[in-house]
Amino acid sequence: SQQGEEDPQALSIQEGENATMNCSYKTSINNLQWYRQNSGRGLVHLILIRSNEREKHSGRLRVTLDTSKKSSSLLITASRAADTASYFCATANNRDDKIIFGKGTRLHILP
Amino acid sequence: SAVISQKPSRDICQRGTSLTIQCQVDSQVTMMFWYRQQPGQSLTLIATANQGSEATYESGFVIDKFPISRPNLTFSTLTVSNMSPEDSSIYLCSVAHWENTEAFFGQGTRLTVV
Repeated sequence: SQQGEEDPQALSIQEGENATMNCSYKTSINNLQWYRQNSGRGLVHLILIRSNEREKHSGRLRVTLDTSKKSSSLLITASRAADTASYFCATANNRDDKIIFGKGTRLHILP
Repeated sequence: SAVISQKPSRDICQRGTSLTIQCQVDSQVTMMFWYRQQPGQSLTLIATANQGSEATYESGFVIDKFPISRPNLTFSTLTVSNMSPEDSSIYLCSVAHWENTEAFFGQGTRLTVV
């Protein structure tokens, strides 16, 4: 079963602009993670934010978490062509150790 | 981090046959998962591979169709049994060192059933 719903499903922006993707989930979580998948390849872990954290940064990435709204956002600043990929949020809950993925956002950076 | 070797990387199989996918990790890990990703879709968890005991399957997936082995902390196999074209998908092995930590993925097995 899938936990998260990302929006938008697809996003095209000009290189250099910022890209924001959102994720909503349904159950209580221990942490929320964001992954990137380039076409036809495995997933790469980007960032993990725990349920007691509200914001986290890693390079050009900024993730926020609002547990009261059961939502998270991923901001990529100063986008580059190499950022073109699908981005997925995934949650780990408190009951078991499963990592459940959302539907993903396809990001396309235009030159 | 963890380096995951998943084999085969791709295969084309006849319907009615079975394919076993192997996942080898370069370090001992606590958690191992198998996912399926259909074209253009997200990842769906098939099961959690438990060392030395039966895998824990998600709703919609059964052991007879997707038998899983995990004989030790670095290796697991997923078999796709009695395949049909609907089983055409990418199958991904994922591992995590500990509970509630980041997951690492293999490059996946692209399966086509004809």
